[in-house]
Amino acid sequence: GENVGLHLPTLSVQEGDNSIINCAYSNSASDYFIWYKQESGKGPQFIIDIRSNMDKRQGQRVTVLLNKTVKHLSLQIAATQPGDSAVYFCAEKMAGRRALTFGSGTRLQVQP
Amino acid sequence: DTGVSQNPRHKITKRGQNVTFRCDPISEHNRLYWYRQTLGQGPEFLTYFQNEAQLEKSRLLSDRFSAERPKGSFSTLEIQRTEQGDSAMYLCAGDSEGEKLFFGSGTQLSVL
Repeated sequence: GENVGLHLPTLSVQEGDNSIINCAYSNSASDYFIWYKQESGKGPQFIIDIRSNMDKRQGQRVTVLLNKTVKHLSLQIAATQPGDSAVYFCAEKMAGRRALTFGSGTRLQVQP
Repeated sequence: DTGVSQNPRHKITKRGQNVTFRCDPISEHNRLYWYRQTLGQGPEFLTYFQNEAQLEKSRLLSDRFSAERPKGSFSTLEIQRTEQGDSAMYLCAGDSEGEKLFFGSGTQLSVL
């Protein structure tokens, strides 16, 4: 999309395969994490979130895993569909703050 | 559709001109946020309101930027004496009692 980056890391998968998008976060004081999907010309769309007192959370076709030891977050998408093609951002929030700090994004391309 | 409406969708202006953007969240959004997104990057926090009170401002929000939410409903973001570096997508988001933000589609600003 016009504002969603031409030089992002890209993950290319076949339709029907599972996708894993990784994110390293920066602040050990962060207590809340969230994944957004952004399609061309649109604002970020909420996918799934997780608090720091959890390691895993599942939604419909999506799972978020949190590893606080290495400050790593991942998004797993099961049975990836062409409609999943977009840029995916992780974001973190520090305890006591309202602002989300976003990562730089990963472009997911689903090949039919 | 998140219910967060932003106008205009696109704005082209000449350097040195003032511009104003508007955001209309849904009535349940007692918190309203402004973010800025440049090409290839994730959104960056600018400021947020709790009802009509502006509670936090990022250091990215220079003196040329001002935001208001006069009645705790819609919000405006004004940029005075625009510079080419202000070219970006300006995103508005709302939340109610939780921490997940619901974004609008943004206003794409181009400063010539």
